[in-house]
Amino acid sequence: NAGVTQTPKFQVLKTGQSMTLQCAQDMNHEYMSWYRQDPGMGLRLIHYSVGAGITDQGEVPNGYNVSRSTTEDFPLRLLSAAPSQTSVYFCASSPVRQGYGYTFGSGTRLTVV
Amino acid sequence: GNSVTQMEGPVTLSEEAFLTINCTYTATGYPSLFWYVQYPGEGLQLLLKATKADDKGSNKGFEATYRKETTSFHLEKGSVQVSDSAVYFCGTSYSGAGSYQLTFGKGTKLSVIP
Repeated sequence: NAGVTQTPKFQVLKTGQSMTLQCAQDMNHEYMSWYRQDPGMGLRLIHYSVGAGITDQGEVPNGYNVSRSTTEDFPLRLLSAAPSQTSVYFCASSPVRQGYGYTFGSGTRLTVV
Repeated sequence: GNSVTQMEGPVTLSEEAFLTINCTYTATGYPSLFWYVQYPGEGLQLLLKATKADDKGSNKGFEATYRKETTSFHLEKGSVQVSDSAVYFCGTSYSGAGSYQLTFGKGTKLSVIP
């Protein structure tokens, strides 16, 4: 049981480049989300999804796109990378039921130069 | 929406000291409450949870009790070890209208020195 798998683990981008952070889960969880973690800021929600074909914005969605074509996958796209997007990104999944916590991936450390 | 306020760190303790990390929340309805731990360079792992008032969650010597009257879920451990050095996040869940989210505090960094 792999849980939540994120790729890549590390990435360096130049300003203006685009890329996709991958997230896959094998637990048949309906809910998936993306967070960014910055020093002193805790975890901030970027986008989330409650099922295939359904996505919504979180606290800090600007500069990011998501789609959910399958239950298993929830990729995060950076359209035109900026230095302000330098961060550690975490994907999480959960059943859509009270009492269940999130299962997190191990993170992607992104640097934009 | 829900919100979580947790004790600001960093917290530095000697090995075998008693640990308390305070967490209070605001929420509508009857949320579930969680503590997560993040070791250096890793993702967050669920440490313990409680789903209703007066429930006590426990794991690896850590405990927290769901106190609805004080809207609190303080994390405690009687004797910390160097291996407990990590960042701890308190969280509360919201569930409704087909949605489900956890709201986290900003995290408390714990360092345990030998």
